[in-house]
Amino acid sequence: SQTIHQWPATLVQPVGSPLSLECTVEGTSNPNLYWYRQAAGRGLQLLFYSVGIGQISSEVPQNLSASRPQDRQFILSSKKLLLSDSGFYLCAWSGTGGNQPQHFGDGTRLSIL
Amino acid sequence: GEDVEQSLFLSVREGDSSVINCTYTDSSSTYLYWYKQEPGAGLQLLTYIFSNMDMKQDQRLTVLLNKKDKHLSLRIADTQTGDSAIYFCAVPGGTYKYIFGTGTRLKVLA
Repeated sequence: SQTIHQWPATLVQPVGSPLSLECTVEGTSNPNLYWYRQAAGRGLQLLFYSVGIGQISSEVPQNLSASRPQDRQFILSSKKLLLSDSGFYLCAWSGTGGNQPQHFGDGTRLSIL
Repeated sequence: GEDVEQSLFLSVREGDSSVINCTYTDSSSTYLYWYKQEPGAGLQLLTYIFSNMDMKQDQRLTVLLNKKDKHLSLRIADTQTGDSAIYFCAVPGGTYKYIFGTGTRLKVLA
């Protein structure tokens, strides 16, 4: 069966520090991969998605970037964190092709001090 | 672009039925989904309906789709305290993307 792992589960970082969140998927090949941010008490904002290695689509201009160095690995990064980057970050995968259901990781709670 | 709206809160008594509503502005013919999010966790896929269906029942869950009015609802029968969570609808927003609703926080009172 397919599984998705995100780490770390929680992270506290100072303003201006770098960020690297990692997400890996097991049990499937060539998944579509997604990064979302969820602000406290709010819905999900799609940040990036990828349909293949090295292919990244950005949904909103921001202080973050994403990379997909391997088929089942998706990384969310920042060179310098802002206070507004605080939130709950969720990684998700879906099967190849359009409009497949998305399956989510357990999320990373990021607090910026 | 696609806009997906849900009411923010719903409170029901244990044993009653819950109905969570979702309205959207545009959708291609495909699947529409309901997800559940418990505190501090990711989203769990609950159920789905294909756009050529009006209703789908899955144990205590019933999904109703009114394509004409662009209205999707999730009914939970015999609501339990373990059903307390945030519920999101998700509608197609492009070939590879879904747009998630704002989420409805369901509180079940014992």
